Amino acid sequence: QKEVEQDPGPLSVPEGAIVSLNCTYSNSAFQYFMWYRQYSRKGPELLMYTYSSGNKEDGRFTAQVDKSSKYISLFIRDSQPSDSATYLCAMSADGGTSYGKLTFGQGTILTVHP
Amino acid sequence: DTEVTQTPKHLVMGMTNKKSLKCEQHMGHRAMYWYKQKAKKPPELMFVYSYEKLSINESVPSRFSPECPNSSLLNLHLHALQPEDSALYLCASSQVTGGSYEQYFGPGTRLTVT
Repeated sequence: QKEVEQDPGPLSVPEGAIVSLNCTYSNSAFQYFMWYRQYSRKGPELLMYTYSSGNKEDGRFTAQVDKSSKYISLFIRDSQPSDSATYLCAMSADGGTSYGKLTFGQGTILTVHP
Repeated sequence: DTEVTQTPKHLVMGMTNKKSLKCEQHMGHRAMYWYKQKAKKPPELMFVYSYEKLSINESVPSRFSPECPNSSLLNLHLHALQPEDSALYLCASSQVTGGSYEQYFGPGTRLTVT
C-alpha cells in the first residue's frame, strides 16, 4: 500500500462545476500538506499549503485537512478551462530524517470543458 | 517573489557527454532540492541541500553529481547518462526554519539522452 493514495482520474467536468480532489494517507507523522497544479511539461505550481488540521481558502480554492481520518481535499469552485491540469497532493513530516522529504500522491488529471 | 529559475529549458546529450543543469532562487531559502519526474508520474526526490550541505541523497547513481556553490545556486552535473535518465529535472527550494516548509518548484529542464 502506498503512503499516499490519490485517484488518478481522469476527471472531466463542465465549466463552472465544483471540483473535489482527494488524497488519503497512512503515515500519522505527516503534518504539512500541499497541493500543486502542474500543466503539461511544466514544473509544479504551489496552490495551497496547510499545517496540521483545518481549512484554508484562497480565491476559488479551498484546502481541507482531517488528520483524524488521514484525509485531505482540494475544492475548486467555478472551475475554468484554465484549471485543466494535473493536481498533485504532497505531504511531509516534521523534522528528523524525514526533513525536506515530500511524499506525493500519483496526481489527478483534471479536464474542464467549456 | 516565489520564483525558482532553471537553465537550460531543454537539453539533449549523448551518453558520453558532460553537461550541467543550473537552478537559482532569491527567496532566502536555505534548503534546495533536485527531483526527477518521468511522464505521468509524481516527482521523485534525488538530493536535498540544507545550508549548502548535502543532507539527503536518495541513492542516486554517481553519474549525477550535485553541487551547491552558495545559498542561491544549485547545480546538477551529468556524466555518462543512460537513455532511461531522460526525464524532467526539477529544482525546488524551501525555508529551513520558521515553521513554513512549503516547497517552490522551478519550471524544470527537459533532458533527453540519446
